[in-house]
Amino acid sequence: KAGVTQTPRYLIKTRGQQVTLSCSPISGHRSVSWYQQTPGQGLQFLFEYFSETQRNKGNFPGRFSGRQFSNSRSEMNVSTLELGDSALYLCASSLGTGDSTDTQYFGPGTRLTVL
Amino acid sequence: ILNVEQSPQSLHVQEGDSTNFTCSFPSSNFYALHWYRWETAKSPEALFVMTLNGDEKKKGRISATLNTKEGYSYLYIKGSQPEDSATYLCVPNAGNNRKLIWGLGTSLAVNP
Repeated sequence: KAGVTQTPRYLIKTRGQQVTLSCSPISGHRSVSWYQQTPGQGLQFLFEYFSETQRNKGNFPGRFSGRQFSNSRSEMNVSTLELGDSALYLCASSLGTGDSTDTQYFGPGTRLTVL
Repeated sequence: ILNVEQSPQSLHVQEGDSTNFTCSFPSSNFYALHWYRWETAKSPEALFVMTLNGDEKKKGRISATLNTKEGYSYLYIKGSQPEDSATYLCVPNAGNNRKLIWGLGTSLAVNP
């Protein structure tokens, strides 16, 4: 079974631009979660999508948005980029049962650099 | 605010040494505990998920125990190898909103 894939792997943008990141989950997984990781910080939860609907949301500004398609693929968009948005963005997929034991499987991440 | 604390923050051992880390989490409203291993330049990899007090899980040379009453979990690595070098993350699912709580983990370096 193919793992979680993310594209692109690396991205360089300038302040004020917007960016779209893509995530393809493991086949059969219906939940996709997005995380941000910056140096010295644990994974920060952005949001979770399940069946094309945002099911959970973290504490990020509205510049961060996402969506999920009918095939469970998900995209994350960041508008009006700021220097502080430079980070590793990870996507994780799971079955989406809602059970606390539902295990997340991570993609390789997208390294975003904002200049 | 619910927090997870892992100790030590980092650890350097020699190949062949056995080692263990501690994870502390709030014991109230506990639902499950996940352990992940995150090697540099790779994705976090799920190791175990545990739910019951007294649970023990094992995967090769790595094992974990869970005490939900006092809110801690131990991860043991027997006979550490250089390929065990990674950050080990303990991730409880706890709290009223049943969210995963991600900490900074324990960074393990195994010297050959």
